[in-house]
Parts: sequence; structure tokens; C-alpha cells
Amino acid sequence: EPEVTQTPSHQVTQMGQEVILRCVPISNHLYFYWYRQILGQKVEFLVSFYNNEISEKSEIFDDQFSVERPDGSNFTLKIRSTKLEDSAMYFCASSTMPGASNEQFFGPGTRLTVL
Amino acid sequence: QKEVEQDPGPLSVPEGAIVSLNCTYSNSAFQYFMWYRQYSRKGPELLMYTYSSGNKEDGRFTAQVDKSSKYISLFIRDSQPSDSATYLCATSSFGNEKLTFGTGTRLTIIP
Repeated sequence: EPEVTQTPSHQVTQMGQEVILRCVPISNHLYFYWYRQILGQKVEFLVSFYNNEISEKSEIFDDQFSVERPDGSNFTLKIRSTKLEDSAMYFCASSTMPGASNEQFFGPGTRLTVL
Repeated sequence: QKEVEQDPGPLSVPEGAIVSLNCTYSNSAFQYFMWYRQYSRKGPELLMYTYSSGNKEDGRFTAQVDKSSKYISLFIRDSQPSDSATYLCATSSFGNEKLTFGTGTRLTIIP
């Protein structure tokens, strides 16, 4: 069964460093998303991406964050200068069509720890 | 006021019991209501999806939405140990791609 994959499963970085989290969405999906979950808190929407453009973003997704689809398979989230409060589980998701009426398939997540 | 509120639990019930999981929400614009199941070290997996008010049944699972009281429920009948997971309610409004999640309820079914 096709699934969303994410690498690495755990990333440890020093405050101020740049990190890139990688995702491989399901191959025929066209819409891509990043969510994050701070330990003990809710899963929060960060950004949605379609046709090489951001289609929607939350107030969390500030200038420190960027997303890219560098090739036909990968979808990345970059955090330019990490802060302690960026420590969280980051989930990538993809769907065939936009909108909440279409199922978003989630990856297993990358746990980011900022020291 | 939080947009979606969910009792985090934990909730432990014996095998075979009926489980009731609930969320409330504040935004009247929400029209799509989902329940996701999340096993340990995995991403959320869509379990049930409902549009607007009403009931939806799928096997042992029933999702209910009452828009008048802004209340979302998931019922699990004949609960099994394999149902042990965290259950997340999620909502969205028309034309919106983002899902708004509750905190999740950790459920344990005791054999």
C-alpha cells in the first residue's frame, strides 16, 4: 500500500542551525502539507503546497520556514535558524485533491530536537 | 476559546465495551469533521469523515456530528485491544485546506 515517508525519523540540532526535513509523498498525489505537534499539544497546520506554490499557510509559518519540491518526488521543509520552541514532531501529508473533503495521508513524522 | 477541544484522557476500558470519544468546537464555519487514529510512533490515519450534521457508520465505528451544539462524537462498539491508540478529532471549513485538530484522547482497551 502506498504511503508517505519521512526522513530522518529523529533530527537533533543546535539552536540557530538550519535543518531540512524531507518527505516523499504518495506518487500520484498533487497536494502537500506540513503539520507539527509540540509534545503534549495539538497537531497544528503549517502550510499547504500545490503546483510549486504555497496555497495556504498558518501564522506559525513565518520567514524562518520555507518549503520546496526540489524534484518529482521529494517535498522539504526548511527551518533557517532553529529555536528551542521549534522542537516538535513534524508531519508531512499529501492528498490527491485539495480541501478537507479529500483525505490527507500522513507520514510517520520527524522528531526535531533543538538544543 | 480554543477552536477544538478534546478531553486528552487517558481512557481505559475493558475489551468489548462501548467507547465514546467527544470533541467540541467553536467555529460555526466548520463543515467537515474527521476522526484520525494515531498509533505510537506513527502519523495520524483517517478513520471516519463526516460532512455537516448527522451520523456515519463504518463497521464498529460510528461518527456523530451535532452542529447545533458544536459537538462531535466517535463511538466504538465491541472494542478490541487493537483499538488502543490516540484518537484525534479534526475539523475544517469549506474551501480551506488546513485541518484543525483536537489534542487527542489516548485510549487503552484492556484484554
